[in-house]
Amino acid sequence: DGGITQSPKYLFRKEGQNVTLSCEQNLNHDAMYWYRQDPGQGLRLIYYSQIVNDFQKGDIAEGYSVSREKKESFPLTVTSAQKNPTAFYLCASSADVNTEAFFGQGTRLTVV
Amino acid sequence: GESVGLHLPTLSVQEGDNSIINCAYSNSASDYFIWYKQESGKGPQFIIDIRSNMDKRQGQRVTVLLNKTVKHLSLQIAATQPGDSAVYFCAETRDSSYKLIFGSGTRLLVRP
Repeated sequence: DGGITQSPKYLFRKEGQNVTLSCEQNLNHDAMYWYRQDPGQGLRLIYYSQIVNDFQKGDIAEGYSVSREKKESFPLTVTSAQKNPTAFYLCASSADVNTEAFFGQGTRLTVV
Repeated sequence: GESVGLHLPTLSVQEGDNSIINCAYSNSASDYFIWYKQESGKGPQFIIDIRSNMDKRQGQRVTVLLNKTVKHLSLQIAATQPGDSAVYFCAETRDSSYKLIFGSGTRLLVRP
């Protein structure tokens, strides 16, 4: 089955700990994205990557880090510097510019 | 500044009626627009897209209209069904960039 896989679906962490969210795609897409969604809100762009070994900050990159060592993988680390990390995190990929982005099913992160 | 926003946070329609969801954008360089549907706890699903060189595009039961003069985008859903109940987002890119920016969303409620 082709698609985007985010794991885990639910994640709990203690305050002050770094946590890494996984995103894998087997669609052979060049571009990948990470978004954050808070309850009743829209999606805000954290980071995006157009190609392997390259990525750009989105609108809310502070407190987050990413890597793009492989085409199919774009992990997101939520660091202890992120002031309010509890949220729903969504990963997406697209084949090219001006083409639709396909989304994973999200990871709900709760920091206690 | 950058913004992709919506006029109505919640739209309630009778089953079988047509629905119209609106979106305003602010940047003349916006060149690609997408409508997504998001059900509770899930990732957004692609509905339909349109490029800035078009005014209208039709899919199955959905039509997207683009008015570049007033920077307005709309999604029309014909014969709205209970399964259409969800939150709908418009998203855009500009200057043929990979950066995909989302609006704040409209919740569509379908009354039986």
